[in-house]
Amino acid sequence: EPEVTQTPSHQVTQMGQEVILRCVPISNHLYFYWYRQILGQKVEFLVSFYNNEISEKSEIFDDQFSVERPDGSNFTLKIRSTKLEDSAMYFCASSDRASISNTGELFFGEGSRLTVL
Amino acid sequence: SQKIEQNSEALNIQEGKTATLTCNYTNYSPAYLQWYRQDPGRGPVFLLLIRENEKEKRKERLKVTFDTTLKQSLFHITASQPADSATYLCAPPTPPSGSARQLTFGSGTQLTVLP
Repeated sequence: EPEVTQTPSHQVTQMGQEVILRCVPISNHLYFYWYRQILGQKVEFLVSFYNNEISEKSEIFDDQFSVERPDGSNFTLKIRSTKLEDSAMYFCASSDRASISNTGELFFGEGSRLTVL
Repeated sequence: SQKIEQNSEALNIQEGKTATLTCNYTNYSPAYLQWYRQDPGRGPVFLLLIRENEKEKRKERLKVTFDTTLKQSLFHITASQPADSATYLCAPPTPPSGSARQLTFGSGTQLTVLP
């Protein structure tokens, strides 16, 4: 069964360092997302991406964050200068549909745990 | 402001019984609602989607209802098994636009099925 894969599974970094989290969405999906979950808290939306541009972003997704689809398969989340509060599990998801009249479920990866020291 | 609330943080039930989890939302009317399962340290897994014009949706031992008058969705697992133990997340689209491109997850109900 096709799945969303994420790397690395765990990354430890020093505050102020740049981090790139990588995702390979399901191959025929067109809509890509990043969510995050701070330990013990809710899964929170960060950003959605379609047709090579950001569709929506939350207020968490500030100028420190960026997303890119550098080639036909990868989807990346970059945090430019990490802060302690960026420590969380970051989930990539993809979907083949996103219209309100034809809603598709999200397929999540297993997550990348980011620890900022 | 809009809110999504799941009834309790933790629910323990005996194997074989029916588990009922509640999701309440206030101050908006989502066109649909999704339910996900999340195991510790893993990503959410989609279970069911119910639209506002559907009263009930079933999939194997799972049943979801959607009461737009009460602004509530109920999620039932019948004949529960220890393998059903997980956190269950309610996820309507984010208000106010209700865009499908952004889900708001509830805090989840941690279900434990005791053998």
